[in-house]
Amino acid sequence: LAKTTQPISMDSYEGQEVNITCSHNNIATNDYITWYQQFPSQGPRFIIQGYKTKVTNEVASLFIPADRKSSTLSLPRVSLSDTAVYYCLVGDGNNAGNMLTFGGGTRLMVKP
Amino acid sequence: GAVVSQHPSRVICKSGTSVKIECRSLDFQATTMFWYRQFPKQSLMLMATSNEGSKATYEQGVEKDKFLINHASLTLSTLTVASAHPEDSSFYICSAGGTNEKLFFGSGTQLSVL
Repeated sequence: LAKTTQPISMDSYEGQEVNITCSHNNIATNDYITWYQQFPSQGPRFIIQGYKTKVTNEVASLFIPADRKSSTLSLPRVSLSDTAVYYCLVGDGNNAGNMLTFGGGTRLMVKP
Repeated sequence: GAVVSQHPSRVICKSGTSVKIECRSLDFQATTMFWYRQFPKQSLMLMATSNEGSKATYEQGVEKDKFLINHASLTLSTLTVASAHPEDSSFYICSAGGTNEKLFFGSGTQLSVL
């Protein structure tokens, strides 16, 4: 399983765009990149998933360069409620069971 | 989206008590479910993979006799912490795979052993 590296923490202010980058130098050809959000005392929640280039949904965008050795989660116009821990996971897209290893995550603090 | 229900959300018990935690997939069948534990300010650590109709697969360092897993149906997996002690106090989370390799997580169970 590809190991991931993320910043331990980030601070932002309401209304700003936040970009969280994850490094996964050993990503394999079949691996997908998935991001989860976790609030205190809750289970993680799926945010977005991608394989290459750019993916966008109603809550975030995911940018993946051509070499796929990193990815950037972009949260547009964050609010206080976006304060959470964000995890980047990398694993074989053919089997959800392979996407099991959580790295340290990035603790995002959004300030008023 | 798919929903995974976990119960109870919080347990406070005396040392030596066995505690059962249930994880249900509400709108899909899950042949495989996963159990994690999480200590304060730390990441999730995979404990075991629960397989419907067969034995669970435990990660290295996780005691099989302490953390008993049963996956008797396609929608239910249970984790029993046998004879819990204070060091077993943690946040336990289950998950199940949905479509497109996404994992859906339960809301977690906070176990406090006195």
